[in-house]
This record gives sequence, structure tokens and C-alpha cells, in this order.
Amino acid sequence: DIVMTQSPDSLAVSLGERATINCKTSQSILYGSNNKKYLAWYQQKPGQSPRLLIYWASTRESGVPDRFSGSGSGTDFTLTISSLQAEDVAVYYCQQYYSTPYTFGQGTKLEIK
Amino acid sequence: QVHLQESGPGLVKTSETLSLTCTVSGGSISSYYWNWIRQVPGKGLEWLGYVYYTGSTVYSPSLQSRVTMSVDSSKNQVFLKMDSVTAADAAVYYCARVPPYERFGELSGMFDLWGQGTLVTVSS
Repeated sequence: DIVMTQSPDSLAVSLGERATINCKTSQSILYGSNNKKYLAWYQQKPGQSPRLLIYWASTRESGVPDRFSGSGSGTDFTLTISSLQAEDVAVYYCQQYYSTPYTFGQGTKLEIK
Repeated sequence: QVHLQESGPGLVKTSETLSLTCTVSGGSISSYYWNWIRQVPGKGLEWLGYVYYTGSTVYSPSLQSRVTMSVDSSKNQVFLKMDSVTAADAAVYYCARVPPYERFGELSGMFDLWGQGTLVTVSS
């Protein structure tokens, strides 16, 4: 199984500031033949189900604000929120879909400082 | 607008079978991959497996011996059965959709739509 490790476990950022969440995979999730990175990011607000934010490591899902962006290489990925808003308080998860079983990171809890 | 709704008994006894249904409204189950994912409250997410609308399945190896997933296209429903449950199976169970093959020319694997989840408690 591909192990997903997020850092930090929790993060407090001031409103309007940048938030950065990291995700490391135990093996490359870059498929050489199509140069795609099989990684997604999700946001889960309290009492809600997860919401897809980013897929293919850097493609924003429809309706997701452009302050959310994703980047990364074969094993190291980053979710960045450029200017934190109050509604961004949530737990964020990365997920690999390079191979089954699909696996998730342990989550990063983002709060307002 | 497509909506997913999980349903089933909220309480299951140890060693018995858990049965859940995901009802898809506002759209068809055709062409999509239908996944079950669970989350122990306050903890992370665990993928259990998926069933394609044709009925073909892929399960997580850790649960393969206990899990069965199926679909009923006529009712737009997806099903999960898990045998011999223990306290470790207590969680919120979500159904989630993976886009059709045609969207990216491949089976992708990102979950673009989730149900609200249903809490399952296991008691002795």
C-alpha cells in the first residue's frame, strides 16, 4: 500500500495569511507515460463529508476558489491557501489514486490564529 | 444536481452483517465507479473498495474477505455488505463517486461527489 504522510498535523494561520499543507507519499505517484500525478486534496468541515478541492495534484475542481492551489513532484506535494478565510477552517486530506487500495493522509487540522 | 444518500441500520451486533445502501438521485449510476469509504469519528479516511455500474468490483485487500459491493441500476442504488463485524468496524460510512472513464480516458480515482455519511455503531 502507498503510505501518505501529511505535515503538520495541525496548523494555525492568521486571516489573510498563507497556509501550506504538505503530503509525502511512500512511492512515486507520477505515471510516466502520461506525466500525471495521481493525487487529490479534500476539505472536510466539521459535521460534513469531504469535498474534492484539487485533483491531478494541481487541477482545481469546479467551484473551488482560486486561493486554493496544489503543486508537487513525484512524492512530495503541497496544498496552499493563499489568503486564509474564516470559512477555510477544516481538516484537509490528501489521497493517492495511483494504485488500489486508494489511501489517504492522516489529515491536517487548519485553524485561525 | 446529483445527490448521494446512505442508509441502513445505525446499530449492528458483533459478528453480524452490516448492510448499507447508497441511493443516487438526480442522475444515473451508469458509467461511474461507486466507492465506499469509512471514517472513525475524529479519525482519518479508509477506502473500502468500489463497484462499477456493470457490477465489477475492486476491494481493499484488508477487507476483501468480508466485503461485498453491488449495484441495482433499475433502482439507482449501490450496496455494501460487511460480514462478521467487530467494534473496529464502527464508523461513519460514506459512498462516493469516481468520474467515468470517458472524462479522463482512464479510471481516475478522485472522489468528486460524496454522500453525507451514515454512522454505524457495533454493539455486543
